[in-house]
Amino acid sequence: EPEVTQTPSHQVTQMGQEVILRCVPISNHLYFYWYRQILGQKVEFLVSFYNNEISEKSEIFDDQFSVERPDGSNFTLKIRSTKLEDSAMYFCASTSLGGGLTDTQYFGPGTRLTVL
Amino acid sequence: QKEVEQDPGPLSVPEGAIVSLNCTYSNSAFQYFMWYRQYSRKGPELLMYTYSSGNKEDGRFTAQVDKSSKYISLFIRDSQPSDSATYLCAISGGGADGLTFGKGTHLIIQP
Repeated sequence: EPEVTQTPSHQVTQMGQEVILRCVPISNHLYFYWYRQILGQKVEFLVSFYNNEISEKSEIFDDQFSVERPDGSNFTLKIRSTKLEDSAMYFCASTSLGGGLTDTQYFGPGTRLTVL
Repeated sequence: QKEVEQDPGPLSVPEGAIVSLNCTYSNSAFQYFMWYRQYSRKGPELLMYTYSSGNKEDGRFTAQVDKSSKYISLFIRDSQPSDSATYLCAISGGGADGLTFGKGTHLIIQP
């Protein structure tokens, strides 16, 4: 069964450093998402991406964040200068939106980001 | 404004019991409702997806939506210890919108 994959599973970085989190969405999916979940908190939407551009972003997704689809399979989230409060699980999700009004989003296993 | 409210629990029930998990939401623009299951330090796994008011059944799971009350429920019949997890409700306005999640209910099924 196709699944969303994410690497690395755990990333430790120093405050102020740049990190890139990587995702491989399900192959025939067209819409891609990043969410984050701070420990003990709810899963929060960050950004959606379609046709090589951002479709929607939340207030959390400020200028420190960027997304990219550098090739036909990868989808990345970059945090330019990490802060302590960026420590969280980051989930990638994708959906096909195959002609329906909406479609379900399938989530990857997450990358745990720890900022020291 | 808290858009999706969900009791975080924990909710502890004996094996075999019927479990009822609930969420309320405030924005009537939300049209699509999902339940995800999340094990500790793992990604959310889709369980159920509904659009209209009413019930949708899949095996031991039943999702119920009452749009007039802005209330969604997930029922688990014949609960098993393997059902122990955090259950997240998620709602969407449709299309490619990002999902709005509840905080999740931590469910414990006692053998």
